[in-house]
Amino acid sequence: DTAVSQTPKYLVTQMGNDKSIKCEQNLGHDTMYWYKQDSKKFLKIMFSYNNKELIINETVPNRFSPKSPDKAHLNLHINSLELGDSAVYFCASSQDWGRGIGNEQFFGPGTRLTVL
Amino acid sequence: GDSVTQMEGPVTLSEEAFLTINCTYTATGYPSLFWYVQYPGEGLQLLLKATKADDKGSNKGFEATYRKETTSFHLEKGSVQVSDSAVYFCALSYGNNRLAFGKGNQVVVIP
Repeated sequence: DTAVSQTPKYLVTQMGNDKSIKCEQNLGHDTMYWYKQDSKKFLKIMFSYNNKELIINETVPNRFSPKSPDKAHLNLHINSLELGDSAVYFCASSQDWGRGIGNEQFFGPGTRLTVL
Repeated sequence: GDSVTQMEGPVTLSEEAFLTINCTYTATGYPSLFWYVQYPGEGLQLLLKATKADDKGSNKGFEATYRKETTSFHLEKGSVQVSDSAVYFCALSYGNNRLAFGKGNQVVVIP
């Protein structure tokens, strides 16, 4: 059973297109996250949702819009894709958004987005 | 803001050698500290964690101790295997459980 899953695993698209990445977790967690890993493997948080409500919104362009239909899903929609959006996008989840002892984040396998 | 600094550059070593990866942090308050590992083509896996000063996290032969006086969380393993080849990330959690990651260190273990 995959705890945190993402689709698709690879996404190749043209500049200017709109695309979505889906994430699902079956851990019963309340909080989900999106991280971006650039070509140098640097990871930075983009968003987090707790029980469908936005908690964290880092300085991400408005072209990126997360959507959480329920607490087990957090999708990422990207409008007007640019070359600089090429990266690996990781979804993660945690029990909640506090910093308690058991509150580590579990990561999905990643989606490699390539914008041509 | 809260941040993590890892030593620069890849680490290449022979099987059964001793591994150390340095990690220091800057934080207001008392963050939780983590080491994550990323195997080729995979997502991140939590390797170990520590939530307060002097705590030692350990897993799969790896250890790291939360040192408040030196603001460090160095990762060590006494005898590495080829299967330990991966990228290792030090991280801390701060406001709303967001993770701040270091730049990662590629570890290559040669047979």
